[in-house]
Amino acid sequence: GNSVTQMEGPVTLSEEAFLTINCTYTATGYPSLFWYVQYPGEGLQLLLKATKADDKGSNKGFEATYRKETTSFHLEKGSVQVSDSAVYFCALTSSNTGKLIFGQGTTLQVKP
Amino acid sequence: DAGITQSPRHKVTETGTPVTLRCHQTENHRYMYWYRQDPGHGLRLIHYSYGVKDTDKGEVSDGYSVSRSKTEDFLLTLESATSSQTSVYFCAISEGDRRTEAFFGQGTRLTVV
Repeated sequence: GNSVTQMEGPVTLSEEAFLTINCTYTATGYPSLFWYVQYPGEGLQLLLKATKADDKGSNKGFEATYRKETTSFHLEKGSVQVSDSAVYFCALTSSNTGKLIFGQGTTLQVKP
Repeated sequence: DAGITQSPRHKVTETGTPVTLRCHQTENHRYMYWYRQDPGHGLRLIHYSYGVKDTDKGEVSDGYSVSRSKTEDFLLTLESATSSQTSVYFCAISEGDRRTEAFFGQGTRLTVV
């Protein structure tokens, strides 16, 4: 079946450090890939997405590239801020029902 | 913000009691979903709906039922709550196209004691 695996957290970085959160997937067909972010006490919101191989999603300085050959969708940001502290979820959908398969989530803490 | 309202936001209930969570949308999206969030598991799909009175099971549907009598409302019922159902529950909506994102509610924190 379809699945998503994220790197274990928590990840603790200093402000302005480079961020990478690894995400790999297993899926049949042609999935779309997403990164969602959850700030404390809130629901999930879309951070970025990519719907086909080699697409790059980007938003708020975050980027991720859909790599079909390595079945990966790693999240990167060049310089993190304290306000980026949150839980990040990698997810995929491969059907037109929009059902999402989520990774375990990675907690990011950025210290001043 | 997408118009999704979950109620209640917090609930404490006793083992064996029935509990109903409500999700209300103002976006007229066709698909509605209930997920539960647990540490180490991310979010897992409980049930989803693709139209009025049209529902289907997700990967963790045991012990839960759903109903959708109007486009805008999707109810999740725990017929007899158990401690293993202590979790944070999220409602989501989407158009169902695999290329479009889902929008999530604020969540309901349910504690079964």
